[in-house]
Amino acid sequence: QKEVEQDPGPLSVPEGAIVSLNCTYSNSAFQYFMWYRQYSRKGPELLMYTYSSGNKEDGRFTAQVDKSSKYISLFIRDSQPSDSATYLCAMMGSGGYNKLIFGAGTRLAVHP
Amino acid sequence: GAGVSQSPSNKVTEKGKDVELRCDPISGHTALYWYRQSLGQGLEFLIYFQGNSAPDKSGLPSDRFSAERTGGSVSTLTIQRTQQEDSAVYLCASSFASIADTQYFGPGTRLTVL
Repeated sequence: QKEVEQDPGPLSVPEGAIVSLNCTYSNSAFQYFMWYRQYSRKGPELLMYTYSSGNKEDGRFTAQVDKSSKYISLFIRDSQPSDSATYLCAMMGSGGYNKLIFGAGTRLAVHP
Repeated sequence: GAGVSQSPSNKVTEKGKDVELRCDPISGHTALYWYRQSLGQGLEFLIYFQGNSAPDKSGLPSDRFSAERTGGSVSTLTIQRTQQEDSAVYLCASSFASIADTQYFGPGTRLTVL
């Protein structure tokens, strides 16, 4: 079993829809949680970064972390065609466990 | 300033040849990372450099893989005797200090081993 599980999709939604992307993980040592967006043939870029549990909002994006369930989510409101990309969750622990572990990525297509 | 740059952007090689991939991190970033991204897979950690400390090589898949970082800046990832399973996108990232800081990624080098 992988440490981080993420449905690869693809996920296809109409413009304006609310998108929900999720990851589950098995390692309770993870403390830092990130979402990266990767356009085709580009490197990943950081979208959201949260520490421990809770919600974080940035414009149309909301990240949620539920450490009790080992489950993280990214919500995209009013999705746009420009949001079409692969979304990767990533997480790491603290102290001696400091590697960034990525999910496989979910491919999202927002069609006009 | 400029972001992380990588060269070449694409590399096609024959099985058994050696290849070198280059990464120029963001100026002032002391931490540098190499990842591998295979088709349909997430990023796989390869190696981590932090300042003058010994690198964390725990992600290198075999002894055919090695990396160095000269002068605390540019890094080279070398793959010897390439195999077809080495075909992937190799991504480099850098950050200001520790691994908890935001990592900025380069565009990657797409390696194809025939």
